[in-house]
Amino acid sequence: NAGVTQTPKFQVLKTGQSMTLQCAQDMNHNSMYWYRQDPGMGLRLIYYSASEGTTDKGEVPNGYNVSRLNKREFSLRLESAAPSQTSVYFCASYGWTGGSNYGYTFGSGTRLTVV
Amino acid sequence: AQSVAQPEDQVNVAEGNPLTVKCTYSVSGNPYLFWYVQYPNRGLQFLLKYITGDNLVKGSYGFEAEFNKSQTSFHLKKPSALVSDSALYFCAVRAPGSSNTGKLIFGQGTTLQVKP
Repeated sequence: NAGVTQTPKFQVLKTGQSMTLQCAQDMNHNSMYWYRQDPGMGLRLIYYSASEGTTDKGEVPNGYNVSRLNKREFSLRLESAAPSQTSVYFCASYGWTGGSNYGYTFGSGTRLTVV
Repeated sequence: AQSVAQPEDQVNVAEGNPLTVKCTYSVSGNPYLFWYVQYPNRGLQFLLKYITGDNLVKGSYGFEAEFNKSQTSFHLKKPSALVSDSALYFCAVRAPGSSNTGKLIFGQGTTLQVKP
């Protein structure tokens, strides 16, 4: 099925460890986003990429880096994980979704726990 | 600063009764407004959006929302709630000036609990 695929679905890290969250979309969308979801705070934008080759900071970029590897893939890296980064991370893309419609498609999320 | 507010953390309704989940926004310019639903351990699913035109927007699963520019609101409604509607609902607005980037600003979410 067409959509946004995130890996892994679950991850436990120790404080100070690093890891990369992967995201890929097969809808030929230009724009991609990384959000984190925390209870009572909704989804907050970490980084986004308006098009291949560009990335920009969102609302809460500290402690994260991103790479727009190509049009399909947008990865999020935690260089030195902290307990405050325990969250659910969602990747999304924006673009044409069929007919005359444009919209957002979200991945199923990565649940990250930092101990 | 642009923002979206969902004033209720939780809304409880009985099955068969009408439901309303409230959303207000604060943005400059003409907003693009969205509602998403999230079921447990799942991603966000699109319900409906307002871009322009008729203030009453109909969406998936029998939901609708009314755009009220004077009150800067975009409340989600359904005439008859189902137990299966129980989920977390997010209101979102596309940030002004982001037509090329599409950044979304989300409210904090409202948990809808429909009891049999």
